[in-house]
Parts: sequence; C-alpha cells; structure tokens
Amino acid sequence: QKEVEQNSGPLSVPEGAIASLNCTYSDRGSQSFFWYRQYSGKSPELIMFIYSNGDKEDGRFTAQLNKASQYVSLLIRDSQPSDSATYLCAVTLGGSNYKLTFGKGTLLTVNP
Amino acid sequence: EPEVTQTPSHQVTQMGQEVILRCVPISNHLYFYWYRQILGQKVEFLVSFYNNEISEKSEIFDDQFSVERPDGSNFTLKIRSTKLEDSAMYFCASSEALLAGILQPQHFGDGTRLSIL
Repeated sequence: QKEVEQNSGPLSVPEGAIASLNCTYSDRGSQSFFWYRQYSGKSPELIMFIYSNGDKEDGRFTAQLNKASQYVSLLIRDSQPSDSATYLCAVTLGGSNYKLTFGKGTLLTVNP
Repeated sequence: EPEVTQTPSHQVTQMGQEVILRCVPISNHLYFYWYRQILGQKVEFLVSFYNNEISEKSEIFDDQFSVERPDGSNFTLKIRSTKLEDSAMYFCASSEALLAGILQPQHFGDGTRLSIL
C-alpha cells in the first residue's frame, strides 16, 4: 500500500520559533512533493512544492527533500499565530502523474 | 489571483437522489481533479481529467460517479443514487500542463459540503 505518513501532532511552538513538520512516503519513485495548509473547515491552500533533493526557500517557509531517505519536511521560521493550522503533505505515488496522495496532516499551534 | 470556484458551497440531499457539484477551474489550466474529505479524515483523490477524458481514477470513483466538462469553463462531478457515506467535503482542483512529465501544483477550490440525509 502506497502511503504518506505524518505525525498528527499537535505540534505546539511559541510565537517567533521555528516549526518543523515532517513527512515520509513509501514510493522511492515519487517525483512531486507538496505542502498544503488547511484551516479548520477550509480547503487546502498550497504553501510549497519541491521536486529535487535539497532545500527550497520561499519567505518564511523552507521545504527540504531527501529522496534517498524518502522524507520531505517543511520549516516555518518566525512562526505566527496565524500559522496555526493543519499542514498536509501530498505526494505523487505509484508512478502516477496526476494523483496526489495526502497524509493525514499535522496540526500546528503557535502560541502568542 | 486566479482561483478555482465551486458551487454550491453546501448541498443537502436525500439518500438515493442525484447531485451535481460544479467547478470552474483556473482558466489556463488543463488538468482538473476531484477530491473528497470525510470529516476528520484525510483528503482522498477521486479522479483526474484531461483533454476531455478521465486520465486516472481511484477505487472510490465507481459507477456511481461521473465527471463532465460540458462547456469551456465548467467541470462537474455527478453522484447518482447518493448514499449516507457520500457525505463529505468535495474539492475541485486544477493544474497547468505537466512539465517534463512532472505534476504541477494543484490549486483547490473552497469545496462543496455534501450532506446526505
């Protein structure tokens, strides 16, 4: 069974700290990796995407990909209370070029 | 910023009835998708659609479901003879063409909450 695994949390960090969210996936052939943010009762909102090993930075967000170890992570620097949400890792698995397989998400709480 | 729009935002239907969920993808996108999220569970892929045909579907997407692009802007999901377990949030998404065979980011609409009574 092709899977995407995330620690469900909750992950609690103080305002201004770095939040680190992790995701592992089962398919060594996966090519596309995405992080979405989902506020309660809302739709997934794209935060970051990464295709190659290494780091990719966009503002306060950094995505890190290690294909050999089959994990992808998201770092949020200078965390704000507005970052409090569920963060969803999504990956293309099983050779699919179309289907995103989502993890269950990690609930992040940033405390003022 | 362009966005995916979905209507209605909430649909309440009696079990056994048919429902049609509507979506207007981002205008220059070529790939369209439906996902669903049962309350408290993860987002699940239903179907992808490209060039007026289904490119991939999940085991959830059985004969009860169908998709259609009836004109140049709308993309619909039809659920025939709805069941209680069809109650969920249904998200439409769209993306640009594959780039060197790599899936481009999918952008999601606000969703339709489907409640089957």
